[in-house]
Amino acid sequence: EAGVAQSPRYKIIEKRQSVAFWCNPISGHATLYWYQQILGQGPKLLIQFQNNGVVDDSQLPKDRFSAERLKGVDSTLKIQPAKLEDSAVYLCASSLVARITDTQYFGPGTRLTVL
Amino acid sequence: AQTVTQSQPEMSVQEAETVTLSCTYDTSESDYYLFWYKQPPSRQMILVIRQEAYKQQNATENRFSVNFQKAAKSFSLKISDSQLGDAAMYFCAYRSPPSGTYKYIFGTGTRLKVLA
Repeated sequence: EAGVAQSPRYKIIEKRQSVAFWCNPISGHATLYWYQQILGQGPKLLIQFQNNGVVDDSQLPKDRFSAERLKGVDSTLKIQPAKLEDSAVYLCASSLVARITDTQYFGPGTRLTVL
Repeated sequence: AQTVTQSQPEMSVQEAETVTLSCTYDTSESDYYLFWYKQPPSRQMILVIRQEAYKQQNATENRFSVNFQKAAKSFSLKISDSQLGDAAMYFCAYRSPPSGTYKYIFGTGTRLKVLA
């Protein structure tokens, strides 16, 4: 079965520019997660979707970050405008449903560098 | 607030030997789940093993096992018969139960080097 797909794999932008990341979860997976992993740290959950509804976005900086999951499949995470501290790897993960025992499958991530 | 602490930034182990990675956490919840994830260099993060807090028996997956001490809030990972492919970053993670405030928290990771 195909894994979680993310694009682009790498992105370099200037501060104050906008950027968008795309994630295609495993087919049939209802739950989708976006994480931010800053160098030297563990992943931090930004937002969790159940189908196309938001379950938790308590750690999403809503003044500059936004995410959507149209039709409950693909998802896009946007940063507008970007700051230097947004430099990180952005990981997308999916699971079949949101049961606590469900395994999360991670994508390869998008490495963002903000100059 | 829940926290997850991995106090060993880096560990080394000789091939075929055993190594233990440490993780402590803090929570006021009685029901939760703990996980160990492996992140190989430039590769996807994968789940290694998980432990339900209400289960006293330590989880085991082939060469990987945990030592779960609920009262001490300790959750260590033991890798037996270490292999070169075990070299990776290992993250300990805590997940709160679905009811109440949702939390999914990762530690800062331990880089494991396997020496041939």
